[in-house]
Amino acid sequence: KAGVTQTPRYLIKTRGQQVTLSCSPISGHRSVSWYQQTPGQGLQFLFEYFSETQRNKGNFPGRFSGRQFSNSRSEMNVSTLELGDSALYLCASSLTGDFQNIQYFGAGTRLSVL
Amino acid sequence: QKEVEQDPGPLSVPEGAIVSLNCTYSNSAFQYFMWYRQYSRKGPELLMYTYSSGNKEDGRFTAQVDKSSKYISLFIRDSQPSDSATYLCAMRGGYSNYQLIWGAGTKLIIKP
Repeated sequence: KAGVTQTPRYLIKTRGQQVTLSCSPISGHRSVSWYQQTPGQGLQFLFEYFSETQRNKGNFPGRFSGRQFSNSRSEMNVSTLELGDSALYLCASSLTGDFQNIQYFGAGTRLSVL
Repeated sequence: QKEVEQDPGPLSVPEGAIVSLNCTYSNSAFQYFMWYRQYSRKGPELLMYTYSSGNKEDGRFTAQVDKSSKYISLFIRDSQPSDSATYLCAMRGGYSNYQLIWGAGTKLIIKP
């Protein structure tokens, strides 16, 4: 069974640009969560999607947005990039996102903003 | 102050030693506690999952939760160089609260 796939693995952008990251969950998983990981802040929750609807949202500005498609694949978009957006962006999928579900993580997309 | 505190390390120990990794937290509503392991250039993978207080053992790994002290631990026996990774604790509240709150992660180095 294929794991969670994130593309691209690495991205270099400049300030002010926008970026779109992609996540393909494990087959059959309907919940997709996105996290930002930085050395100083650790893992911070961005948002969770279930059945194409955003169900939970973390404390990030509106520049961070996402969506989920009918096949459960998800994309995350960051507009007007800032230097502080440089981070590892992780996607995790689970069956239903229920509190007892295990989250399986992808390898992440490393974004560098210059 | 962060809701979950975890010493970032690095923690360096010789092969075969017993490793103790810890997290403290401030929110008494947390009921579900997890330990994840993250290798370099990989995403986190779930190691241990415990509910409420008590101990849980899985092979060389033991997870311990002390809700009265708001303190959780992960013990690794007979540590191996392949255990070298960053260990993250995560926790969440009750049924209505799905969001995981994470520690910053402890980098563990096992020296052969």
